[in-house]
Formats: sequence, C-alpha cells, structure tokens
Amino acid sequence: KAGVTQTPRYLIKTRGQQVTLSCSPISGHRSVSWYQQTPGQGLQFLFEYFSETQRNKGNFPGRFSGRQFSNSRSEMNVSTLELGDSALYLCASEADSYQETQYFGPGTRLLVL
Amino acid sequence: AQSVAQPEDQVNVAEGNPLTVKCTYSVSGNPYLFWYVQYPNRGLQFLLKYITGDNLVKGSYGFEAEFNKSQTSFHLKKPSALVSDSALYFCAVRANDYKLSFGAGTTVTVRA
Repeated sequence: KAGVTQTPRYLIKTRGQQVTLSCSPISGHRSVSWYQQTPGQGLQFLFEYFSETQRNKGNFPGRFSGRQFSNSRSEMNVSTLELGDSALYLCASEADSYQETQYFGPGTRLLVL
Repeated sequence: AQSVAQPEDQVNVAEGNPLTVKCTYSVSGNPYLFWYVQYPNRGLQFLLKYITGDNLVKGSYGFEAEFNKSQTSFHLKKPSALVSDSALYFCAVRANDYKLSFGAGTTVTVRA
C-alpha cells in the first residue's frame, strides 16, 4: 500500500496570510490526525478527523481548522499566519481503533516570514 | 489526562554497545504504548507497540521494548547499536480514547 502523502512539502508564507495543507491517508484508513512539531514545543496534537467529523481537538486557537472529505483525504487551514506558526506539520492516518498504529506522512514544512 | 516523560534529552553510545532510551507514562486505564523514530527532515516512522500480552515487544530494525506496569515504564532497547540508529526517538501513549500523546523526544547519537 502507498503510504501517507502530504502536499506541499515546503511552504513559505508571510504574516497575515493563510495556508492550506493537504493529507492523503493510507488506503482504507478512515482516521486522520494532524500534529505540529517545533523545536521548542515538540509534537503537539492539533485535531483528528474520522468519517468527515472532528473527533478530537487539541489546544490550538481557532485560526487552525481542518476538514475531511468523503474519500478520507484531509486538509488543514491556518488563517492569519503568525511567525510562531513556522513548524513541521505532520499528518497521520490509522484504521479505526485506539489499538491501531498511526502512520505518519513526511510532513509539510511551513516557514512564516 | 495522559502523559509521557522521556527523561533524557540525549543519549550517546558507541557503535556495537547496547542502546536504551527511557520512557515513563501516566494514563488512566490500560495503556497502549508506541515508539517512533524520526530521521532529519522526515516524518515519524513506527518502530513497535505494546497493546497487551508479553511484556517484551520486538519491533523493526532490531529494536525491542519492555513494558513494566509497576514502574509505568516502556524503555526502548537495542542490543548492539549502529551509526545509522542516530535519530530522534519518541515514546507515545494512548488510553481508551483516540488521542496519542508524545514525549519530548530523545536524540540518540551513535559514534563509530
């Protein structure tokens, strides 16, 4: 099976802009989770979608949002970008069970100038 | 609430020596424990997990981990480290919900 894919791999934006990142899960996986990774804060959970519904949410401001489509592909959007949003954004997919393994994509590296 | 602690920011070992990366956890209910590795500019790569059963779990690339319920630990081990094992290692825990909580990570450096 093909792995988790994320597009784009790299992005440069300026403060105040918005950005949309995309994630395609492993075929058959219905859950997609998003994480933000920074040197200072480590890996932080953003949100999880299952069957087009947000099932879990981390402690991020409302500028961070996401959605999932009927084919399980997911997008996350960050509006009004701030310098602190510069990070590696990771997407992970899994089959539907808390005993299952999350498989990660290569990430999208976002730089906000 | 669930949490994971990786008490060592860095672990340095010589090639051929045993490697141990420590992890302790806190969770209500049965813990589901995972180890991931991250190479520079890459996503996280799954190594192994403990769900139930034998306390010694074997995973990819010769890694294993031992679940210790009384000490709430899940240390990652490799009997003989390779230079190519140099990377960032993350321990993660999940309880009976769907959130996966990660530790801060441990940088492993294996010197030739």
